[in-house]
Amino acid sequence: TQLLEQSPQFLSIQEGENLTVYCNSSSVFSSLQWYRQEPGEGPVLLVTVVTGGEVKKLKRLTFQFGDARKDSSLHITAAQPGDTGLYLCAGAGAQKLVFGQGTRLTINP
Amino acid sequence: DTAVSQTPKYLVTQMGNDKSIKCEQNLGHDTMYWYKQDSKKFLKIMFSYNNKELIINETVPNRFSPKSPDKAHLNLHINSLELGDSAVYFCASSLSFAGPNPYEQYFGPGTRLTVT
Repeated sequence: TQLLEQSPQFLSIQEGENLTVYCNSSSVFSSLQWYRQEPGEGPVLLVTVVTGGEVKKLKRLTFQFGDARKDSSLHITAAQPGDTGLYLCAGAGAQKLVFGQGTRLTINP
Repeated sequence: DTAVSQTPKYLVTQMGNDKSIKCEQNLGHDTMYWYKQDSKKFLKIMFSYNNKELIINETVPNRFSPKSPDKAHLNLHINSLELGDSAVYFCASSLSFAGPNPYEQYFGPGTRLTVT
């Protein structure tokens, strides 16, 4: 069974600080995705990383796929209150996505 | 121009009842999914369909029966509802389940089911 562990599960920081969220597994994935979910809404895809070692940037968000394609990280620089939300990583397995349990991020003004 | 829509948004019902949730996507995607998100926000796949054909049934009780009348619709019928069925159910779609980036999924807004 493929599992994804996200850490931390909860993170509350002040506006302007930097943070990193981790997504780890003992399994290899063909690709890995990060989603963001707002309360009362469905997850929205932020990025897909496919190649081991790949780094993608989305404004203040930097996503990295591990060399062995077993783990990923999301780094946010100068966090803003608008970054508040539930961040989910998801690994592409056999015909399906396997989701981590999520990181609930709160950015305090 | 809602990409993936679900109805109803909220569903409150009693144990033992039968209920349905409808999902429609206007993205022209071939693959549709049902997910269950529990109170701890853990999102787990239940079913996937590709062009109206069942691809994945993730050990879901047979009280749950998906139906795909066409590739733009995937409905979920639940018989004999139990307390443990209370959760948020999300419908999603993707271009396909094969090929490059097959799993970039677009989610509906969710249906919050409460069984009392």
